[in-house]
Amino acid sequence: TQLLEQSPQFLSIQEGENLTVYCNSSSVFSSLQWYRQEPGEGPVLLVTVVTGGEVKKLKRLTFQFGDARKDSSLHITAAQPGDTGLYLCAGVRSNFGNEKLTFGTGTRLTIIP
Amino acid sequence: EPEVTQTPSHQVTQMGQEVILRCVPISNHLYFYWYRQILGQKVEFLVSFYNNEISEKSEIFDDQFSVERPDGSNFTLKIRSTKLEDSAMYFCASSKEVRTGELFFGEGSRLTVL
Repeated sequence: TQLLEQSPQFLSIQEGENLTVYCNSSSVFSSLQWYRQEPGEGPVLLVTVVTGGEVKKLKRLTFQFGDARKDSSLHITAAQPGDTGLYLCAGVRSNFGNEKLTFGTGTRLTIIP
Repeated sequence: EPEVTQTPSHQVTQMGQEVILRCVPISNHLYFYWYRQILGQKVEFLVSFYNNEISEKSEIFDDQFSVERPDGSNFTLKIRSTKLEDSAMYFCASSKEVRTGELFFGEGSRLTVL
């Protein structure tokens, strides 16, 4: 069973601070996706990282895929209350594309105004 | 913007009853999925469907579960005889491609089995 562990599980910080969320696995993935999920809604894709070492930026969010393609991080600069939500990483297996995403355990982020 | 729609948003049923959850994927998508999320737990893959057949299923997707695409638009998940542990949020998703395609998730159907 492929597991993706996210840390921290819960994070509550003040508006304007920076934060990093980690997603770690012992398995290699062909790519890794980050989703954000609001209460009562389905996950919404933020980014896909494909190449080991790849860094992608989405406004104040920076995503990095580990060189070995086993881990990833999400860094948020100057967090805002609108960033509050559940952040999920999901690994994609090489043989099956994104047919079977393995989701991480999730990080619930709360930004305090 | 096109979206995946799911009905019902919430269903309460008695243990042992059959339940059908419905999904309308995005119209030009070819790959369809069901995931579930038990309260407080992570999102889990159930099944993927392409070209009118199951392409992969997880160990959760046992004989009590079935999927169907009865027409050109709907994609359904049937649970034949619900158990208490089937209580969860069920998400339908669709994608245009497999290898690099983005999954679009519906808002989910909350199933409560009493």
